[in-house]
Amino acid sequence: DAKTTQPPSMDCAEGRAANLPCNHSTISGNEYVYWYRQIHSQGPQYIIHGLKNNETNEMASLIITEDRKSSTLILPHATLRDTAVYYCIVRAYNAGNMLTFGGGTRLMVKP
Amino acid sequence: SAVISQKPSRDICQRGTSLTIQCQVDSQVTMMFWYRQQPGQSLTLIATANQGSEATYESGFVIDKFPISRPNLTFSTLTVSNMSPEDSSIYLCSVDAGGSGETQYFGPGTRLLVL
Repeated sequence: DAKTTQPPSMDCAEGRAANLPCNHSTISGNEYVYWYRQIHSQGPQYIIHGLKNNETNEMASLIITEDRKSSTLILPHATLRDTAVYYCIVRAYNAGNMLTFGGGTRLMVKP
Repeated sequence: SAVISQKPSRDICQRGTSLTIQCQVDSQVTMMFWYRQQPGQSLTLIATANQGSEATYESGFVIDKFPISRPNLTFSTLTVSNMSPEDSSIYLCSVDAGGSGETQYFGPGTRLLVL
């Protein structure tokens, strides 16, 4: 799996958009970008994934650059409950490939 | 999505003893994974468990220390053997959702403290 680089921590004001960047410059053509988050003392939670097109679901939006070397996870209206560690992971899209977790970004949403 | 439960949710154990952690899924899954998360650290994969075959361990993890069972498609156990304080961690199981491996879903974790 390709490595990812994320800032170790970020702050965001409640109600504002949180934009979490991720660099994955060595990503392969068959590797997807996945985002998970881990709220304190809980198991990681799947957020979203994508290959090359931008994706949106009820939790977040994922913007992937045209060269696929970086991406941004957007939480449109951050709440205090979004305070968590966010992990960006690249993984080939086939069964059996485990997730390789990096350090992630610790997002603190402040009132 | 898959709903995963783990037992126990937490435990405090004495060094030299063993603890078996159970992972139950609400649907049949092919692949199950066991991760460890040491205090303040990210997740590290221990092993991959397929039903009907021996688990595949990652570098640094051995079967004698972390024996795994996978008796059916909805259940797995991980045993932490001959524990030491360095084994104090959160242990998490996860499953690939569906045959395509699109996403992985995680259990709530088992918090282990070894004294």
